[in-house]
Amino acid sequence: AQSVTQPDIHITVSEGASLELRCNYSYGATPYLFWYVQSPGQGLQLLLKYFSGDTLVQGIKGFEAEFKRSQSSFNLRKPSVHWSDAAEYFCAVEGPGGGNKLTFGTGTQLKVEL
Amino acid sequence: GAGVSQTPSNKVTEKGKYVELRCDPISGHTALYWYRQSLGQGPEFLIYFQGTGAADDSGLPNDRFFAVRPEGSVSTLKIQRTERGDSAVYLCASRAGSNTEAFFGQGTRLTVV
Repeated sequence: AQSVTQPDIHITVSEGASLELRCNYSYGATPYLFWYVQSPGQGLQLLLKYFSGDTLVQGIKGFEAEFKRSQSSFNLRKPSVHWSDAAEYFCAVEGPGGGNKLTFGTGTQLKVEL
Repeated sequence: GAGVSQTPSNKVTEKGKYVELRCDPISGHTALYWYRQSLGQGPEFLIYFQGTGAADDSGLPNDRFFAVRPEGSVSTLKIQRTERGDSAVYLCASRAGSNTEAFFGQGTRLTVV
């Protein structure tokens, strides 16, 4: 069965600092990969996705993620964090071919210090 | 509509009661998903509809949970004989098809007392 691991439950960074959130997956083939953000009382918003092709994908709000097949990872990065980025971030995978369920990690809660 | 709409936004019910949660997907989206998110956890898959039929219901925890989508649009998640462990946020998502983004509603927070 596919699984997603987000090893960091909580991360605190200073505003303006760089950010990297880790995500590792377990799947028999290369899945589709996603990062979602969830702010308090809000629904899940898609930051970016990887289906195939270029392994460095750009998303909204200045986020990017890099797919590394050899490490089964899809880490999320941002060069300079803003206070408004404080939220919970979820990595998710979907079986190749689409149309299937998303399997989510347990999430990383990001706190931004001013 | 502009987005996925879920009603009610909050529901408090007594243990043993029956509840229905509604999801109105984005117009034209053929795929609809239900997820459940417990406190401190990521969303967990419950059921997936393609059109009117349940293509995958492997995530439903037991036979107290049931979902329908009779006309291929609005879906209702039904929970019988609710238990305190059913307390969670129930999320609905829809998408236009494969290789497209899934859009999530804001969820229904169910509290069983």
